Amino acid sequence: QKEVEQDPGPLSVPEGAIVSLNCTYSNSAFQYFMWYRQYSRKGPELLMYTYSSGNKEDGRFTAQVDKSSKYISLFIRDSQPSDSATYLCASPTSGNTPLVFGKGTRLSVIA
Amino acid sequence: EAGVTQFPSHSVIEKGQTVTLRCDPISGHDNLYWYRRVMGKEIKFLLHFVKESKQDESGMPNNRFLAERTGGTYSTLKVQPAELEDSGVYFCASSHMRATGELFFGEGSRLTVL
Repeated sequence: QKEVEQDPGPLSVPEGAIVSLNCTYSNSAFQYFMWYRQYSRKGPELLMYTYSSGNKEDGRFTAQVDKSSKYISLFIRDSQPSDSATYLCASPTSGNTPLVFGKGTRLSVIA
Repeated sequence: EAGVTQFPSHSVIEKGQTVTLRCDPISGHDNLYWYRRVMGKEIKFLLHFVKESKQDESGMPNNRFLAERTGGTYSTLKVQPAELEDSGVYFCASSHMRATGELFFGEGSRLTVL
């Protein structure tokens, strides 16, 4: 079983839609969770970072962590064509270990 | 402030040849990481430098891969001899502190081994 599972999509939505991106993880030691966004032919860039269970909001983006079910989500409200990218969830096993990435979900927002 | 830069952006070589990838981290970032994404797979960790020292090289696939970071500035990743399965995108990332997860990635070096 992979440590971080993520549906690769692709996911295509109309502009203005609410997008839900999800990951599951298997390692209970994971405490920090990140969402990276990667545009085509670019490197990943950190989008959001959460430590504990619950929600964290940043503009149109909300990251949600449910440690009891080992489930992490990223919600995008009022999606825009500029949100079209691959979204990667990631976590280190602990504070001193390298990031473990999911495969990424490719999102297309159609105008 | 300049970001993480990688060179070359794309390299096409034949099996058995040697390729050297270079990464210039953000100035002042002591931590430098190499990751790789093989087609259809997730991004996977290769190794981590703190300044010029290898902190963790548990992700290096085999001894055909050699990473260096002389002087604690830029880093090189050499693949010698290259095999078909080495094809993929090699990402370099850097961070100032050992901040969990807050890595700044370069655009990657795409390696194609024929």
